[in-house]
Amino acid sequence: EPEVTQTPSHQVTQMGQEVILRCVPISNHLYFYWYRQILGQKVEFLVSFYNNEISEKSEIFDDQFSVERPDGSNFTLKIRSTKLEDSAMYFCASSEWGAGAPADTQYFGPGTRLTVL
Amino acid sequence: GNSVTQMEGPVTLSEEAFLTINCTYTATGYPSLFWYVQYPGEGLQLLLKATKADDKGSNKGFEATYRKETTSFHLEKGSVQVSDSAVYFCALRASNYQLIWGAGTKLIIKP
Repeated sequence: EPEVTQTPSHQVTQMGQEVILRCVPISNHLYFYWYRQILGQKVEFLVSFYNNEISEKSEIFDDQFSVERPDGSNFTLKIRSTKLEDSAMYFCASSEWGAGAPADTQYFGPGTRLTVL
Repeated sequence: GNSVTQMEGPVTLSEEAFLTINCTYTATGYPSLFWYVQYPGEGLQLLLKATKADDKGSNKGFEATYRKETTSFHLEKGSVQVSDSAVYFCALRASNYQLIWGAGTKLIIKP
């Protein structure tokens, strides 16, 4: 069964460093998402992406964050200068596209645990 | 605005017990509703969904019915197994396609 993959599974970085989290969505999916979950808190939406553009973004997704689809398979989240409060589990998700909108179901990857020291 | 509230955990049950995890929502319109499950060390997996009022989603013995009158989507299972131990998340799909999540309920099943 096709699945969303994410690398690395765990990333440790120093405050102020740049990190890139990588995701490979399901191959025929066209709509992509990033969510994060700070330990002990709810899962929060960060950004959605379609047709090489950001579709929606939350207040969390400020200028320190960016997303890119550098090739036909990868979807990346970059944090330019990490802060302690960026420590969280980051989930990538993808969904099919049909009838002018993304399908209901979002398929999630296993997550990347980011630890900022 | 949109929000999801689910019962706090952990919920601890014995094997073969009946399970209910409550979920209520606040939303404009009638959003699609979901239950996701996260097994230890794994990602978020879709368990079941319902897209309109009175729909019942079901999978792996779990069920949830979309109740518009009570704005609820409670998760039930008639007889739980140790392998059902996981964290369960209720979520709704907002009009801009993002998922709005509940806090998650940790379920512990003892043999």
